[in-house]
Amino acid sequence: QKEVEQDPGPLSVPEGAIVSLNCTYSNSAFQYFMWYRQYSRKGPELLMYTYSSGNKEDGRFTAQVDKSSKYISLFIRDSQPSDSATYLCAMIGGTSYGKLTFGQGTILTVHP
Amino acid sequence: KAGVTQTPRYLIKTRGQQVTLSCSPISGHRSVSWYQQTPGQGLQFLFEYFSETQRNKGNFPGRFSGRQFSNSRSEMNVSTLELGDSALYLCASSVGLAGAVDTQYFGPGTRLTVL
Repeated sequence: QKEVEQDPGPLSVPEGAIVSLNCTYSNSAFQYFMWYRQYSRKGPELLMYTYSSGNKEDGRFTAQVDKSSKYISLFIRDSQPSDSATYLCAMIGGTSYGKLTFGQGTILTVHP
Repeated sequence: KAGVTQTPRYLIKTRGQQVTLSCSPISGHRSVSWYQQTPGQGLQFLFEYFSETQRNKGNFPGRFSGRQFSNSRSEMNVSTLELGDSALYLCASSVGLAGAVDTQYFGPGTRLTVL
């Protein structure tokens, strides 16, 4: 069983829709949670990071963490065609150097 | 500020050969992490270097090695290439703190194809 599970999709939604992306994890040592976005032929870019249970909002993006259920989510409001990309959740322990553990990635397509 | 750069961007090798990939971190960053990305396994951590020392290592065979220079630039080497080594190799740089406050910034990757 993988430490981090993420539904690979693909997910196809119309422009303006609310998108929900989710990951579950099994390692209780994970303390910090991130969402990366990766466009085709590019490296991942950090969207958001959180370290406590609850919600964190940044523009159209909301990251949600539930440590008791070992479940994290990313919500995208008013989705745009430019949001079409692969979304990766990532996690790291508090004392781990450099070692991000990633989910498989969810391919999202927002069509006009 | 310039981002993370990786060279070369594309590489084609044959089985049994070895390959060296290079990564230049963001100015001021002292930590470099390497990842392998494949369709089947996703992004997997290879190793992390800080001030020329390997501080963390993933579950890859000894054919995968790396090093870091005094200017924080890093190289990774794969010896005796196998078909399964075909992947996108990504490096990420960060300040070098433990935990996620140490944001990692990724380069564009080197696409390695082994024939």
